[in-house]
Amino acid sequence: DGGITQSPKYLFRKEGQNVTLSCEQNLNHDAMYWYRQDPGQGLRLIYYSQIVNDFQKGDIAEGYSVSREKKESFPLTVTSAQKNPTAFYLCASSLGSGVDSPLHFGNGTRLTVT
Amino acid sequence: QQQVKQSPQSLIVQKGGISIINCAYENTAFDYFPWYQQFPGKGPALLIAIRPDVSEKKEGRFTISFNKSAKQFSLHIMDSQPGDSATYFCAASSIPNQAGTALIFGKGTTLSVSS
Repeated sequence: DGGITQSPKYLFRKEGQNVTLSCEQNLNHDAMYWYRQDPGQGLRLIYYSQIVNDFQKGDIAEGYSVSREKKESFPLTVTSAQKNPTAFYLCASSLGSGVDSPLHFGNGTRLTVT
Repeated sequence: QQQVKQSPQSLIVQKGGISIINCAYENTAFDYFPWYQQFPGKGPALLIAIRPDVSEKKEGRFTISFNKSAKQFSLHIMDSQPGDSATYFCAASSIPNQAGTALIFGKGTTLSVSS
C-alpha cells in the first residue's frame, strides 16, 4: 500500500537536545510538507519542499531544519533553539500544488521534550 | 484577511442526529475549500472539498454548503454515527487553483457522537 510513514510514533527528549523526525513516502509525490499540530491551534506549516534538494520555510520555521536529499524522504530536525518543541508533528505529501493534488498525511510523531 | 475561523471548537451529537460545523473567511480570492477528518492518533485525511462555483456538494452522509456572499461554508454530517467521532478541519486556499502550501486551516472541531 502506498502511503506516508512517520517514525517513531512517540519520541521523548531532554531539553537542549536536537531530535530528528523521520518521514518517508512511497507515493512518488514531488511535494512534501511538515506541519505542527497543537491542541486548539489547527495545522501550522513548518517547512515544505516541492522538489528534491530544495525546500522553503513555512509559517513557523524558527528552531527547525529539514533536508530533501531523496524524493521519498523529508526528515525534520527539531533543534534546541525551538522554544516550545512539545507537539504532534505531521508529515504530508502531494503530487503537485494544484487543487487536484490533495494533501496525504502520515500518522504523526508525538514529541515530548522535558 | 488570511484567517479561516472555525466553530464550534467541540460538538456533541446524539447518534442519528445532524452535526454542523461552520467556517468563515474574509478574503474573497479564496477559491478552494476542503474539509479534512482526523481520527485520534492518526493524520488528517481529505473528506470532501468544494469550489465556489457550486453552493452545495454531497458525498454520502457528508455535505458541504457554501455561501459565497456571506463568505461562509459548513460541513453537515447527516445521521451521525459514533464512527464519525473525530476532529474536523476546514481549510481554504489563498492562491487561486492552488492547494498545498496555499491552504489555510481552521483550528478544528472535535466531534463526539454519543450512542
